[in-house]
Amino acid sequence: KAGVTQTPRYLIKTRGQQVTLSCSPISGHRSVSWYQQTPGQGLQFLFEYFSETQRNKGNFPGRFSGRQFSNSRSEMNVSTLELGDSALYLCASSLGQGAMTKNIQYFGAGTRLSVL
Amino acid sequence: AQSVTQPDIHITVSEGASLELRCNYSYGATPYLFWYVQSPGQGLQLLLKYFSGDTLVQGIKGFEAEFKRSQSSFNLRKPSVHWSDAAEYFCAVGSNYGGSQGNLIFGKGTKLSVKP
Repeated sequence: KAGVTQTPRYLIKTRGQQVTLSCSPISGHRSVSWYQQTPGQGLQFLFEYFSETQRNKGNFPGRFSGRQFSNSRSEMNVSTLELGDSALYLCASSLGQGAMTKNIQYFGAGTRLSVL
Repeated sequence: AQSVTQPDIHITVSEGASLELRCNYSYGATPYLFWYVQSPGQGLQLLLKYFSGDTLVQGIKGFEAEFKRSQSSFNLRKPSVHWSDAAEYFCAVGSNYGGSQGNLIFGKGTKLSVKP
């Protein structure tokens, strides 16, 4: 079974631009979560989508948004990029329902975003 | 609020020596606890998890962790470290609060270096 796939792996953008990152979950998984990883703040939860609905959201500004499609693929968008948005963005997928014991999060390799 | 503390930012051990990485959590209910490992430029790989039951859990690559409720700890151990274990290790706590199961709170990580 294929794992979580994130595209692209690397991105370079300039301040003020916007960017869209993509995540394809493991087949059969309906929950997709996004995390931001930086050296200073570590791993921080951005948001979770389940069945095309945002189910939970972290403490990030409205410039960060996401969506999920009917096939469970998810995208996240960052508008008006700032230097501080440079980070590794990780996507994780899980079944999303049922017993918590069955809802292990499996991570993709991430998208490395550099904002110049 | 939920939180995870990994007191050691960087640990160096000799190959073949034993290893213990510390993790303390703050959570009001029964926590779901995880250890993930991240190699440079990669995503997170699940090493092991604790949901309930036996407080000593076994994981992949010869790792184990012990849940101690009285100390709010979930320390990771390995009896004999291999050079390939050099990576960054993250402890995380999860919940199913409000039906959302896709929100993990991570510690800041412990970077493990292995001396030959």
